[in-house]
Amino acid sequence: QSALTQAASVSGSPGQSITISCTGTSSDLSAYKYVSWYQQHPGKAPKLMLYDVTNRPSGVSNRFSGSKSGNTASLTISGLQAEDEADYYCSSYTSSNTLLFGGGTKLTVL
Amino acid sequence: EVQLVQSGAEVKKPGESLKISCKGSGYTFAHYWIGWVRQLPGKGLEWMGIIYPDDSLTRYSPSFQGQVTISADRSISTAYLQWTSLKASDTAMYYCARVGSPSLAQLWFDCWGQGALVTVSS
Repeated sequence: QSALTQAASVSGSPGQSITISCTGTSSDLSAYKYVSWYQQHPGKAPKLMLYDVTNRPSGVSNRFSGSKSGNTASLTISGLQAEDEADYYCSSYTSSNTLLFGGGTKLTVL
Repeated sequence: EVQLVQSGAEVKKPGESLKISCKGSGYTFAHYWIGWVRQLPGKGLEWMGIIYPDDSLTRYSPSFQGQVTISADRSISTAYLQWTSLKASDTAMYYCARVGSPSLAQLWFDCWGQGALVTVSS
């Protein structure tokens, strides 16, 4: 199974908003309405940022929001801050009863 | 506090066996699926499989089926990832993570271990 498709990199200036997209197929993102997003800083373990498309775990800033349409999910970070610079991964369950991650997007805060 | 603590870094030779561990605390370990995720150097996350410690029901990614064994001992709140014959291509960081979702169709990980670096080199 190929990874979900994410842009390799995205950048933005402090205070701006950015959106990271995640594209799948009829076997994953289109088939299931649930997608989750993870943040990973260099040398650290991933951290759950969003689950079930739009839900934020306790402690995650409301600057992080999510959406999904068809086979594409999106993570939007508003009011960009230096601490948001990290890698971001989407994930989706698949019709093969497996979990698929996206290839990851490196966010650079200029 | 929910916590997963993994065993330390390992350096092994090709052909050797290895078992790394992941100990949970702060919750009823047996009642939450635990997953394993591989991250090759400089690369993205790859789902390897999950286990339900209460009955050791296991599901593997096709990419890892037959390559590794996932097990758990509910009596000591510990999950394991095991290789019988390591290859250089197994060199990676391995994370365990707790499945926080109420159903596997959602399958999100709400708590992660700190990772265990496995280096396989002759």
